[in-house]
Amino acid sequence: DAGVIQSPRHEVTEMGQEVTLRCKPISGHNSLFWYRQTMMRGLELLIYFNNNVPIDDSGMPEDRFSAKMPNASFSTLKIQPSEPRDSAVYFCASTLGLAGGMYEQYFGPGTRLTVT
Amino acid sequence: RKEVEQDPGPFNVPEGATVAFNCTYSNSASQSFFWYRQDCRKEPKLLMSVYSSGNEDGRFTAQLNRASQYISLLIRDSKLSDSATYLCVVNFSNAGGTSYGKLTFGQGTILTVHP
Repeated sequence: DAGVIQSPRHEVTEMGQEVTLRCKPISGHNSLFWYRQTMMRGLELLIYFNNNVPIDDSGMPEDRFSAKMPNASFSTLKIQPSEPRDSAVYFCASTLGLAGGMYEQYFGPGTRLTVT
Repeated sequence: RKEVEQDPGPFNVPEGATVAFNCTYSNSASQSFFWYRQDCRKEPKLLMSVYSSGNEDGRFTAQLNRASQYISLLIRDSKLSDSATYLCVVNFSNAGGTSYGKLTFGQGTILTVHP
């Protein structure tokens, strides 16, 4: 199994530009999570999907952030327009969210975003 | 109050030492408990699940106290390779009793093992 795949691994962009981060979850997993990690705030949950449906987006910081999951094997996180304070590592994770399960999440390698 | 709280450390210990990390959680309707490990500039990875009766995996022992809402991780005979950030993780069920696999992460405890 290839694990959770994220692209790009690194992104450097200028303030005001649109940024799109991509994620392919582990095949068969039905829940997908987007996180952001910074030194100051730690690991923050931004949004998560179950069976391609957004369940909770209360962690999305602003309207500049949006996420989609058009099918079970692909999700995007978009920032438009980007700002320097968006600089962070963005992780995607997936799990098989069954009732009563132990819910181990598998993380992708992350996208390191720098907005100048 | 944070939902999952850990002592951020850092813990600096010599090789061979025993070190313990503690964690408290706020929601009594918690279903599952884990310790994750994160190496510098890497993604978090599952170290071990935590079961109600406590469990051991080699040099690592995890304990759960539901009454006190407290989780611990004990590392015996520390190795240099144990240097990492250790994340306490809890799965809370929502009001409807489902969680879809959502996990809540503590801020992490930094461990450095030196020669």
